[in-house]
Amino acid sequence: QVQLQESGPGLVKPSETLSLTCTVSGGSIGSYYWSWIRQPPGKGLEWIGSIYNSGSTNYSPSLKSRVFISEETSKNQFSLKLNSVTAADAAVYYCARSYSVSYHSPFGSWGRGTLVTVSS
Amino acid sequence: EIVLTQSRGTLSLSLGERATLSCRASQSVSSSYLAWYQQRPGQAPRLLIYGASSRATGIPDRFSGSGSGTDFTLTISRLEPEDFAVYYCQQYGSSPWTFGQGTKVEIK
Repeated sequence: QVQLQESGPGLVKPSETLSLTCTVSGGSIGSYYWSWIRQPPGKGLEWIGSIYNSGSTNYSPSLKSRVFISEETSKNQFSLKLNSVTAADAAVYYCARSYSVSYHSPFGSWGRGTLVTVSS
Repeated sequence: EIVLTQSRGTLSLSLGERATLSCRASQSVSSSYLAWYQQRPGQAPRLLIYGASSRATGIPDRFSGSGSGTDFTLTISRLEPEDFAVYYCQQYGSSPWTFGQGTKVEIK
């Protein structure tokens, strides 16, 4: 059974870059779609973007200008960078794997999430 | 972008009762690419239903989904204590993938 674990700083200063890594165990990072989703405290879920096919990406238009998702297959990891953060980017950030290998697939496996606070 | 609207913010129900949650899309969701998730406090969401009506692996059969086009429903036939949670719908037919705002099912 695949497991995902987010890691990275829990505190980021305004205007700086948020960087998170998702480490995948129990399965290879190949074949599936790997995504980042966030949830501001007490609010709903927002898809940030996905990576697949060894480097192809798909981003939410609302974040596209600030987001970069990459993968490191040798480490079975993928990463999120979000630059120029503001208080509005404070959230629990989840990494997730697609339920199937199809482009049109829901999020079947999730990490536990990591809280990122934006403050000076 | 497809906007998903979950009409009820909170449903107050008793153990053993039937829960009916709705999700309406601002435009047709292609091929019924509609999923439902359950989120308990402090936990990550869990996939319940995909393809509008297919249960994900390990999901009890008291959970069922229906609908097509722009109107979808999640039904929990008899509420168990662990079912009191927040439920989200999500469409994955048209990028960007979007979620509804959630419906909380609470104990009456």
